[in-house]
Amino acid sequence: AQSVTQPDIHITVSEGASLELRCNYSYGATPYLFWYVQSPGQGLQLLLKYFSGDTLVQGIKGFEAEFKRSQSSFNLRKPSVHWSDAAEYFCAVEKGGGNKLTFGTGTQLKVEL
Amino acid sequence: DVKVTQSSRYLVKRTGEKVFLECVQDMDHENMFWYRQDPGLGLRLIYFSYDVKMKEKGDIPEGYSVSREKKERFSLILESASTNQTSMYLCASSTTRGGSSYNEQFFGPGTRLTVL
Repeated sequence: AQSVTQPDIHITVSEGASLELRCNYSYGATPYLFWYVQSPGQGLQLLLKYFSGDTLVQGIKGFEAEFKRSQSSFNLRKPSVHWSDAAEYFCAVEKGGGNKLTFGTGTQLKVEL
Repeated sequence: DVKVTQSSRYLVKRTGEKVFLECVQDMDHENMFWYRQDPGLGLRLIYFSYDVKMKEKGDIPEGYSVSREKKERFSLILESASTNQTSMYLCASSTTRGGSSYNEQFFGPGTRLTVL
């Protein structure tokens, strides 16, 4: 069975500080991995995706993520957080092809000014 | 600009009512999805469709049905609404035909449904 774990429900960082959001997955094969962001009152927007190749993936809004097969992780990072990054972040894994996604439970990011 | 629209942002219904949630996409995507989002549970897939008149059950299909008569429109139906179906409902669409948006799901703004 596939699952996605986001161990941190809430994270608070100061504006300008670095950020790392954790995501672990369980899947028997090489997964397709995604990070989505949901700003308050809005739908989800794709930040980045990993299918194969270079394990460090660059996304929009200055975010990046690194796929580590040995740790079954796909952590999201940003070197300097802006107040507008306050949102909920979801990691997702594609299961069985056809773009069916299994989402993690999300991490709520709060940014202190 | 790609767009997924949902018929209502907020909806209040009574227990036992039949509820229709509509989703329309203008990107000619072949795949469409319905999720419900609940605090602490993330997004859970209810139903999805790969083509017109095709549908497949997701992880939590009980109490729901869907209809896809046209490629751009995917409807979620609650045959007899219950209070445990109070939730945020999100629609998404995607294509697996290639291109820069390959396998990216585009989401609508969501419908917050309250069943009293």
